[in-house]
Amino acid sequence: AQSVSQHNHHVILSEAASLELGCNYSYGGTVNLFWYVQYPGQHLQLLLKYFSGDPLVKGIKGFEAEFIKSKFSFNLRKPSVQWSDTAEYFCAVNAGSADGLTFGKGTHLIIQP
Amino acid sequence: DTAVSQTPKYLVTQMGNDKSIKCEQNLGHDTMYWYKQDSKKFLKIMFSYNNKELIINETVPNRFSPKSPDKAHLNLHINSLELGDSAVYFCASSLQGKSTDTQYFGPGTRLTVL
Repeated sequence: AQSVSQHNHHVILSEAASLELGCNYSYGGTVNLFWYVQYPGQHLQLLLKYFSGDPLVKGIKGFEAEFIKSKFSFNLRKPSVQWSDTAEYFCAVNAGSADGLTFGKGTHLIIQP
Repeated sequence: DTAVSQTPKYLVTQMGNDKSIKCEQNLGHDTMYWYKQDSKKFLKIMFSYNNKELIINETVPNRFSPKSPDKAHLNLHINSLELGDSAVYFCASSLQGKSTDTQYFGPGTRLTVL
């Protein structure tokens, strides 16, 4: 079975700082990788996903993530964060259509103005 | 136009009661899911239905029973509620249930069992 590890549970940054949230997964086969965001009081929304092709994927709101197969990683990045990026960020994998999404425990990001 | 909707948004009830949460999607998707988010924000899949047929049934107590009257609806019925059932329950849907498909989530139902 697959698993997902997010290293940082709480991250506090100032506006305009650069962001990198770590995500590692464990699974020996092909995986499809996702980052979801949950703004306060809202439902989960897809930021970006990777399943093949260019390992650097760009998502909404200036986010990007890089799939590094050798490191089993899919880290999320943003060069300059804004106060409105305050949210919970979830990395997830789907290794097979019958398995659904396996989520990491989430990273609570707080951006200070 | 809400893509995935859930009712109710909040549900407060006593231990031992039976309750249902409804979910509807207007995206024309074939597959629907239920996830549970605990107090530490950890999300875990509970069920998956594809065209009204159960595909995934993770190790949840049999007090939880999903019901899909048609492919646009997946309701969650919970019998004999326990304190540990308190959580936020999210419904989601995807086009065909493929591992590459984006899952679209509903707004969640916060269940509190007293």
